[in-house]
Amino acid sequence: QVQLQESGPGLVKPSETLSLTCAVSGFSISSDYYWGWIRQPPGKGLEWIASVYHRGSTYYSPSLRSRLTISVDTSKNHFSLNLRSVTATDTAVYYCARTLGSSGPDVFDIWGQGTMVTVSS
Amino acid sequence: DIVMTQSPDSLAVSLGERATINCKSSQTLLYSSNNKNYLGWYQQKPGQPPKLLIYWASTRESGVPDRFSGSGSGTDFTLTISSLQAEDVAVYYCQQYHATPTFGQGTKVEVK
Repeated sequence: QVQLQESGPGLVKPSETLSLTCAVSGFSISSDYYWGWIRQPPGKGLEWIASVYHRGSTYYSPSLRSRLTISVDTSKNHFSLNLRSVTATDTAVYYCARTLGSSGPDVFDIWGQGTMVTVSS
Repeated sequence: DIVMTQSPDSLAVSLGERATINCKSSQTLLYSSNNKNYLGWYQQKPGQPPKLLIYWASTRESGVPDRFSGSGSGTDFTLTISSLQAEDVAVYYCQQYHATPTFGQGTKVEVK
Protein backbone atom coordinates (compact mmCIF):
# COMPACT_ATOMS: atom_id res chain seq x y z
CA GLN A 1 0.00 0.00 0.00
CA VAL A 2 1.46 3.32 -1.07
CA GLN A 3 1.64 5.91 1.69
CA LEU A 4 2.97 9.45 1.69
CA GLN A 5 3.85 11.35 4.86
CA GLU A 6 4.76 15.01 4.97
CA SER A 7 7.07 16.45 7.58
CA GLY A 8 7.89 20.06 8.22
CA PRO A 9 8.56 22.73 10.83
CA GLY A 10 5.00 23.79 11.64
CA LEU A 11 6.05 27.39 12.21
CA VAL A 12 8.37 29.48 10.04
CA LYS A 13 9.40 33.12 10.48
CA PRO A 14 8.81 35.62 7.68
CA SER A 15 11.67 35.88 5.18
CA GLU A 16 13.03 32.45 6.16
CA THR A 17 13.03 29.25 4.11
CA LEU A 18 10.33 26.61 4.48
CA SER A 19 11.65 23.07 4.06
CA LEU A 20 9.29 20.12 3.68
CA THR A 21 9.91 16.43 3.12
CA CYS A 22 7.55 13.74 1.85
CA ALA A 23 8.44 10.19 2.85
CA VAL A 24 7.13 7.53 0.47
CA SER A 25 6.46 4.04 1.80
CA GLY A 26 5.20 0.89 0.15
CA PHE A 27 6.43 2.05 -3.25
CA SER A 28 9.68 3.04 -4.90
CA ILE A 29 10.09 6.71 -5.65
CA SER A 30 12.19 5.60 -8.63
CA SER A 31 9.12 4.17 -10.33
CA ASP A 32 7.65 5.82 -13.40
CA TYR A 33 5.65 8.59 -11.74
CA TYR A 34 5.95 12.25 -10.92
CA TRP A 35 5.73 13.45 -7.32
CA GLY A 36 4.26 16.80 -6.39
CA TRP A 37 3.41 19.38 -3.77
CA ILE A 38 0.05 21.10 -3.46
CA ARG A 39 -0.99 23.61 -0.81
CA GLN A 40 -4.25 24.87 0.64
CA PRO A 41 -4.50 28.09 2.70
CA PRO A 42 -6.95 27.86 5.59
CA GLY A 43 -10.53 27.86 4.29
CA LYS A 44 -9.40 28.26 0.68
CA GLY A 45 -8.82 26.19 -2.44
CA LEU A 46 -5.99 24.08 -3.78
CA GLU A 47 -2.82 25.42 -5.40
CA TRP A 48 -0.31 23.20 -7.17
CA ILE A 49 3.27 24.18 -6.34
CA ALA A 50 5.77 21.89 -8.06
CA SER A 51 6.42 18.38 -9.34
CA VAL A 52 9.52 16.23 -9.79
CA TYR A 53 10.50 12.99 -11.53
CA HIS A 54 13.05 10.65 -9.95
CA ARG A 55 15.53 11.33 -12.77
CA GLY A 56 15.50 15.02 -11.88
CA SER A 57 12.99 16.52 -14.29
CA THR A 58 11.08 19.29 -12.53
CA TYR A 59 8.36 21.80 -13.21
CA TYR A 60 7.16 24.67 -11.08
CA SER A 61 4.21 26.97 -10.60
CA PRO A 62 5.06 30.09 -12.62
CA SER A 63 3.96 32.35 -9.76
CA LEU A 64 6.24 30.64 -7.22
CA ARG A 65 9.10 29.48 -9.43
CA SER A 66 11.63 32.09 -8.29
CA ARG A 67 11.36 30.94 -4.67
CA LEU A 68 11.17 27.17 -5.14
CA THR A 69 13.40 24.15 -5.30
CA ILE A 70 12.03 20.59 -5.46
CA SER A 71 14.27 17.55 -5.31
CA VAL A 72 14.26 13.77 -4.96
CA ASP A 73 16.45 11.54 -2.78
CA THR A 74 16.07 8.03 -4.14
CA SER A 75 18.33 6.56 -1.45
CA LYS A 76 15.89 7.74 1.23
CA ASN A 77 12.78 7.23 -0.90
CA HIS A 78 11.62 10.76 -0.27
CA PHE A 79 11.28 14.07 -2.02
CA SER A 80 11.58 17.59 -0.68
CA LEU A 81 10.50 21.17 -1.23
CA ASN A 82 12.23 24.40 -0.28
CA LEU A 83 10.28 27.65 -0.42
CA ARG A 84 12.41 30.72 0.19
CA SER A 85 11.53 34.16 1.55
CA VAL A 86 8.17 33.12 2.99
CA THR A 87 5.45 35.54 3.98
CA ALA A 88 2.12 35.16 5.75
CA THR A 89 0.49 34.32 2.41
CA ASP A 90 2.47 31.07 2.40
CA THR A 91 0.55 29.87 5.46
CA ALA A 92 -1.26 26.71 4.36
CA VAL A 93 -1.66 22.98 4.64
CA TYR A 94 0.99 21.48 2.37
CA TYR A 95 0.21 18.15 0.72
CA CYS A 96 2.52 15.82 -1.12
CA ALA A 97 1.06 13.56 -3.77
CA ARG A 98 1.83 11.10 -6.56
CA THR A 99 0.68 11.60 -10.12
CA LEU A 100 -1.49 9.05 -11.85
CA GLY A 101 0.83 8.82 -14.84
CA SER A 102 4.40 9.49 -15.85
CA SER A 103 4.23 12.09 -18.58
CA GLY A 104 4.45 15.39 -16.73
CA PRO A 105 1.38 17.41 -15.74
CA ASP A 106 -1.21 15.00 -14.44
CA VAL A 107 -3.86 14.39 -11.80
CA PHE A 108 -2.80 13.18 -8.36
CA ASP A 109 -4.12 9.81 -7.26
CA ILE A 110 -2.38 9.30 -3.91
CA TRP A 111 -2.04 12.06 -1.31
CA GLY A 112 -0.45 12.50 2.06
CA GLN A 113 -2.53 13.72 4.99
CA GLY A 114 -0.97 17.17 4.80
CA THR A 115 1.09 19.26 7.18
CA MET A 116 0.07 22.70 8.43
CA VAL A 117 2.69 25.42 8.06
CA THR A 118 2.21 28.82 9.65
CA VAL A 119 4.38 31.80 8.75
CA SER A 120 4.57 34.13 11.71
CA SER A 121 7.13 35.95 13.79
CA ASP B 1 -1.80 29.89 -16.53
CA ILE B 2 -5.02 28.21 -17.56
CA VAL B 3 -7.78 29.61 -15.34
CA MET B 4 -10.43 27.18 -14.10
CA THR B 5 -13.81 28.57 -13.04
CA GLN B 6 -16.39 26.42 -11.28
CA SER B 7 -20.08 27.09 -10.87
CA PRO B 8 -21.91 27.31 -8.62
CA ASP B 9 -19.74 28.07 -5.59
CA SER B 10 -22.15 26.04 -3.49
CA LEU B 11 -25.31 24.03 -3.91
CA ALA B 12 -27.79 22.25 -1.69
CA VAL B 13 -29.42 19.10 -3.01
CA SER B 14 -31.92 16.74 -1.43
CA LEU B 15 -30.79 13.21 -0.70
CA GLY B 16 -31.36 11.01 -3.73
CA GLU B 17 -31.48 13.96 -6.11
CA ARG B 18 -28.99 14.93 -8.81
CA ALA B 19 -26.13 17.34 -8.19
CA THR B 20 -24.40 19.04 -11.11
CA ILE B 21 -21.16 21.01 -10.93
CA ASN B 22 -19.72 22.92 -13.86
CA CYS B 23 -16.11 23.73 -14.66
CA LYS B 24 -14.94 26.05 -17.41
CA SER B 25 -11.35 26.48 -18.57
CA SER B 26 -9.83 29.58 -20.15
CA GLN B 27 -8.23 27.43 -22.87
CA THR B 28 -9.12 24.15 -24.47
CA LEU B 29 -8.08 21.07 -22.50
CA LEU B 30 -8.46 18.79 -25.52
CA TYR B 31 -5.33 17.46 -27.17
CA SER B 32 -6.21 16.72 -30.77
CA SER B 33 -3.30 14.25 -31.07
CA ASN B 34 -4.92 11.78 -28.68
CA ASN B 35 -8.48 13.18 -28.43
CA LYS B 36 -8.21 13.36 -24.63
CA ASN B 37 -9.39 16.12 -22.32
CA TYR B 38 -6.84 16.83 -19.58
CA LEU B 39 -9.35 17.42 -16.80
CA GLY B 40 -9.80 15.76 -13.43
CA TRP B 41 -12.23 16.01 -10.52
CA TYR B 42 -11.60 15.64 -6.79
CA GLN B 43 -13.70 15.35 -3.67
CA GLN B 44 -12.46 16.84 -0.40
CA LYS B 45 -14.09 16.28 2.95
CA PRO B 46 -13.21 18.40 6.02
CA GLY B 47 -9.83 17.60 7.50
CA GLN B 48 -8.94 15.18 4.68
CA PRO B 49 -6.80 15.41 1.57
CA PRO B 50 -8.53 15.53 -1.79
CA LYS B 51 -9.63 12.23 -3.32
CA LEU B 52 -9.36 11.69 -7.06
CA LEU B 53 -12.74 10.86 -8.61
CA ILE B 54 -12.41 11.36 -12.36
CA TYR B 55 -9.59 11.83 -14.88
CA TRP B 56 -9.50 12.33 -18.65
CA ALA B 57 -12.74 14.23 -17.99
CA SER B 58 -14.86 11.09 -17.80
CA THR B 59 -12.80 8.11 -16.58
CA ARG B 60 -13.80 7.08 -13.10
CA GLU B 61 -10.96 6.25 -10.70
CA SER B 62 -10.96 2.71 -9.35
CA GLY B 63 -13.35 2.30 -6.41
CA VAL B 64 -15.35 5.46 -7.10
CA PRO B 65 -19.11 4.80 -7.04
CA ASP B 66 -20.81 4.91 -10.41
CA ARG B 67 -23.17 7.66 -9.26
CA PHE B 68 -20.24 9.98 -10.00
CA SER B 69 -19.76 10.79 -13.67
CA GLY B 70 -17.83 13.34 -15.66
CA SER B 71 -18.59 14.79 -19.06
CA GLY B 72 -17.65 17.61 -21.39
CA SER B 73 -14.91 18.51 -23.82
CA GLY B 74 -12.78 21.45 -24.85
CA THR B 75 -13.47 24.17 -22.30
CA ASP B 76 -16.70 23.08 -20.61
CA PHE B 77 -16.99 20.18 -18.21
CA THR B 78 -19.49 18.77 -15.74
CA LEU B 79 -19.36 16.52 -12.69
CA THR B 80 -22.68 14.84 -11.94
CA ILE B 81 -23.70 12.99 -8.81
CA SER B 82 -26.74 11.10 -9.99
CA SER B 83 -28.28 10.40 -6.59
CA LEU B 84 -26.79 12.36 -3.72
CA GLN B 85 -25.86 10.38 -0.63
CA ALA B 86 -25.10 11.83 2.79
CA GLU B 87 -21.45 10.81 2.44
CA ASP B 88 -21.13 12.94 -0.72
CA VAL B 89 -21.25 16.17 1.28
CA ALA B 90 -17.89 17.72 0.45
CA VAL B 91 -16.11 20.32 -1.62
CA TYR B 92 -15.43 19.33 -5.22
CA TYR B 93 -12.57 20.65 -7.33
CA CYS B 94 -11.75 20.40 -11.00
CA GLN B 95 -8.11 20.43 -12.11
CA GLN B 96 -6.60 20.81 -15.55
CA TYR B 97 -3.34 19.13 -16.54
CA HIS B 98 -3.12 20.29 -20.13
CA ALA B 99 -0.44 22.69 -18.89
CA THR B 100 1.09 23.27 -15.45
CA PRO B 101 -1.75 22.19 -13.18
CA THR B 102 -4.40 24.59 -11.94
CA PHE B 103 -7.52 24.00 -9.89
CA GLY B 104 -10.97 25.49 -9.86
CA GLN B 105 -11.99 27.41 -6.76
CA GLY B 106 -14.18 24.58 -5.47
CA THR B 107 -17.90 23.87 -5.15
CA LYS B 108 -19.40 23.03 -1.78
CA VAL B 109 -22.16 20.42 -1.90
CA GLU B 110 -24.58 20.21 1.00
CA VAL B 111 -27.81 18.39 1.78
CA LYS B 112 -30.98 20.44 1.45
